[in-house]
Amino acid sequence: AQSVTQLGSHVSVSEGALVLLRCNYSSSVPPYLFWYVQYPNQGLQLLLKYTSAATLVKGINGFEAEFKKSETSFHLTKPSAHMSDAAEYFCAALNSGGYQKVTFGTGTKLQVIP
Amino acid sequence: KAGVTQTPRYLIKTRGQQVTLSCSPISGHRSVSWYQQTPGQGLQFLFEYFSETQRNKGNFPGRFSGRQFSNSRSEMNVSTLELGDSALYLCASSLAGAITDTQYFGPGTRLTVL
Repeated sequence: AQSVTQLGSHVSVSEGALVLLRCNYSSSVPPYLFWYVQYPNQGLQLLLKYTSAATLVKGINGFEAEFKKSETSFHLTKPSAHMSDAAEYFCAALNSGGYQKVTFGTGTKLQVIP
Repeated sequence: KAGVTQTPRYLIKTRGQQVTLSCSPISGHRSVSWYQQTPGQGLQFLFEYFSETQRNKGNFPGRFSGRQFSNSRSEMNVSTLELGDSALYLCASSLAGAITDTQYFGPGTRLTVL
């Protein structure tokens, strides 16, 4: 079964510093991969998705992620953190069958320190 | 274009009761998926509906059920509520539920079971 691991349930960065949120997936077949953001008391918003096209995926709000098959990773980065980036981030994966087969990671809460 | 709406936003019920949650997808979207989000289990897929038919179901007991209407609006029902059913229930819609479709999430319904 597909699994998604997010290293670090809480990550703190200073405003203006690099944001790096880690995600590893387990699959012999490269899946489709997603990063979502969730603000308090809100639903999930798609940041970006990898669908086997370019390995470097650019998303909204200055975020990007790089698919590395050799490392089975899909880490999320942003060069300069902003206070408004404070939220919970979820990595998700699915191999086929539509969204009903999606597997989510456990989430990483990002704190941005002024 | 209006986003995904969920009603009610908050619910408090007692054990043994039943509850119905509603989800209105984005206009034109025919696929609606439901997820349960809890601190302990994270985000878990409940079921997905497309054109009034349940296409797939996650690993939840039969107390959890749903339906979709001809206008694509969806409801989910939980009968004989248990304390462990306390969660944020998220609904997401997409054009057809395909991997290449972007899934849009609603703000969720926070269910508290006392």
